[in-house]
Amino acid sequence: IAGITQAPTSQILAAGRRMTLRCTQDMRHNAMYWYRQDLGLGLRLIHYSNTAGTTGKGEVPDGYSVSRANTDDFPLTLASAVPSQTSVYFCASSGGEYNEQFFGPGTRLTVL
Amino acid sequence: GQNIDQPTEMTATEGAIVQINCTYQTSGFNGLFWYQQHAGEAPTFLSYNVLDGLEEKGRFSSFLSRSKGYSYLLLKELQMKDSASYLCAVRDSNYQLIWGAGTKLIIKP
Repeated sequence: IAGITQAPTSQILAAGRRMTLRCTQDMRHNAMYWYRQDLGLGLRLIHYSNTAGTTGKGEVPDGYSVSRANTDDFPLTLASAVPSQTSVYFCASSGGEYNEQFFGPGTRLTVL
Repeated sequence: GQNIDQPTEMTATEGAIVQINCTYQTSGFNGLFWYQQHAGEAPTFLSYNVLDGLEEKGRFSSFLSRSKGYSYLLLKELQMKDSASYLCAVRDSNYQLIWGAGTKLIIKP
C-alpha cells in the first residue's frame, strides 16, 4: 500500500441498506477525514478523527458514523442509506510539511 | 458564516497565463491551500500560503493577502494537462479545512 486506499471504488445501493466505506492509510498520519463531494459544492466534511480512539462531527454528519480503532483504518458507515447520500466520498489524512491533506481515490456511491 | 468564493469556470489558451482568484471569510485563519483535481480523480496538493506574499513553485505560483481575505493561483505556460478543477481551501481556527466549490479550468489549443 502506498498512501491512502478506499474500497469499494463504486457502489449502487438500495435505499434503506447499510453500507460501510473502507479507508486505509500507511503514512502513519494521526488525523483522518471523510468528505463528500457533490457537483457545484465544495468538499464537505462529514466526520474526522484527530488520533486513534477519537472522532468528531464535521459539517454534514447526519446519517453517517465512523470509528477509529487504530491509526491506519477509518471506516465510514451509512446506517440506512437514502438517495440524498448519493455522492463521491473521499477519505483523507493530514501530514507533511504543511500538515496538508492527502486524499484517497474516492468511492462513487449511488443510492436508489 | 464561513465562505470561500472562486469563479465557477475559466477558459485559457495553451501556452498562456491564467490567474484563478479566491476570496474567503472564515472564523480564524491558519493557512490557505490550493489543490488540483482532474475529472474523476482525487484532489492533489499544489501550494500553501500562511504569510502574505507570493510562493513560487515551477509554473505555479500562489499569492496571499490576509488583510484582504484574498488569494490567487497563477499558472504559467499552460499545458493541456492543466485542464482540471482548482480548489481553494482555508484552514480555520479549529484547524479544519473550509473548501471552495472549485474553478474548472478549460485549456484550448
